[in-house]
Amino acid sequence: ETGVTQTPRHLVMGMTNKKSLKCEQHLGHNAMYWYKQSAKKPLELMFVYNFKEQTENNSVPSRFSPECPNSSHLFLHLHTLQPEDSALYLCASSQDLDIGSGGAGTQYFGPGTRLTVL
Amino acid sequence: RKEVEQDPGPFNVPEGATVAFNCTYSNSASQSFFWYRQDCRKEPKLLMSVYSSGNEDGRFTAQLNRASQYISLLIRDSKLSDSATYLCVVLSGGSYIPTFGRGTSLIVHP
Repeated sequence: ETGVTQTPRHLVMGMTNKKSLKCEQHLGHNAMYWYKQSAKKPLELMFVYNFKEQTENNSVPSRFSPECPNSSHLFLHLHTLQPEDSALYLCASSQDLDIGSGGAGTQYFGPGTRLTVL
Repeated sequence: RKEVEQDPGPFNVPEGATVAFNCTYSNSASQSFFWYRQDCRKEPKLLMSVYSSGNEDGRFTAQLNRASQYISLLIRDSKLSDSATYLCVVLSGGSYIPTFGRGTSLIVHP
């Protein structure tokens, strides 16, 4: 087990719905990430949080809204999504963002939420 | 040129074969390198870090060639369970943002 859990595992929503994805890590890490993985594309980094503070927003549309209430929990709030937003959304954590120790390169991923937008 | 490039494959090899993948990176200031493995419909998992001097973990050997800006992963004595997609990850100097390659698919058949 990776120590990172995500719920729900599958989600189908209409374009007018509002839903939230939840991620929890039990590893005592300080950094958390949201990624989008579409078929035939590399993992796309969406957001990075370090000690609950957002340090990176990779030009993500505002219909995706992250929330990090503490170092163990990360949410992704979804509203008025488009069909092209259908993908696997992965959460990950790492000990830190220390470049020297490669902290951000040593990530533990959750199982992902497979999202379908109708 | 993409920041991190991998041959998508698939590499189709018999059990027991030796197979190698390369991953090229464009930023010469890249600092840290990793290989991840992703099984079908599963999340990526860290396989190994890549050190400047090269490193080995059982049947797996990772090497870095800074002059030519690529890293490699060698798998010896392939097992059926090695079938997966292997992702290259690069951290560039001055940035903590990891860049993932598209991945190389490996299929090991009996």
